[in-house]
Amino acid sequence: GAGVSQTPSNKVTEKGKYVELRCDPISGHTALYWYRQSLGQGPEFLIYFQGTGAADDSGLPNDRFFAVRPEGSVSTLKIQRTERGDSAVYLCASSSQPPRLAGMTDTQYFGPGTRLTVL
Amino acid sequence: KQEVTQIPAALSVPEGENLVLNCSFTDSAIYNLQWFRQDPGKGLTSLLLIQSSQREQTSGRLNASLDKSSGRSTLYIAASQPGDSATYLCAATSGSRLTFGEGTQLTVNP
Repeated sequence: GAGVSQTPSNKVTEKGKYVELRCDPISGHTALYWYRQSLGQGPEFLIYFQGTGAADDSGLPNDRFFAVRPEGSVSTLKIQRTERGDSAVYLCASSSQPPRLAGMTDTQYFGPGTRLTVL
Repeated sequence: KQEVTQIPAALSVPEGENLVLNCSFTDSAIYNLQWFRQDPGKGLTSLLLIQSSQREQTSGRLNASLDKSSGRSTLYIAASQPGDSATYLCAATSGSRLTFGEGTQLTVNP
């Protein structure tokens, strides 16, 4: 089946504008994750959904960032009043199982990412 | 807070050489340790996942080991090929998140 898809692949916006980034997880995957990767760095965790609810949003940098997953499938990451420092690649991942006890976790499958550039 | 470090940051080797990439993590209370490959402009591809109860995993020319007590993992690549050129990332799973290192950029020269 299809992997994780993300749209758009590239987004250029101006400082202060609002943007939405979309993630389509692998069908049937209940867990969905957003990460942000700056140039030369590893991805950094932003938020984790289990079903429709955000189970862990502690990685969101501030209240300009918000994410939803209303039907437990597609997720949208929303960024208000964008700043130049928000420029990065935003990665989405999904897995078939939520994090559980040690030794019983599933791999996360990553999408190709959305490259966001804030001018 | 979990911190993951990868050494070296970059590595260039001739084709056919065996090589080892290193990863260390500060909090040993992990669910698993994963190794990913990232090609330029692309997403991450999972290579190997070692559960916390395991010591190593093998896939083809790749072998990953995990020593929780010392907070270390290694990725061994045998008989390297130019197609192995990419950035290799390790990530430790704690709670609901992966914590990534900064990656090792590998170049295998023909």
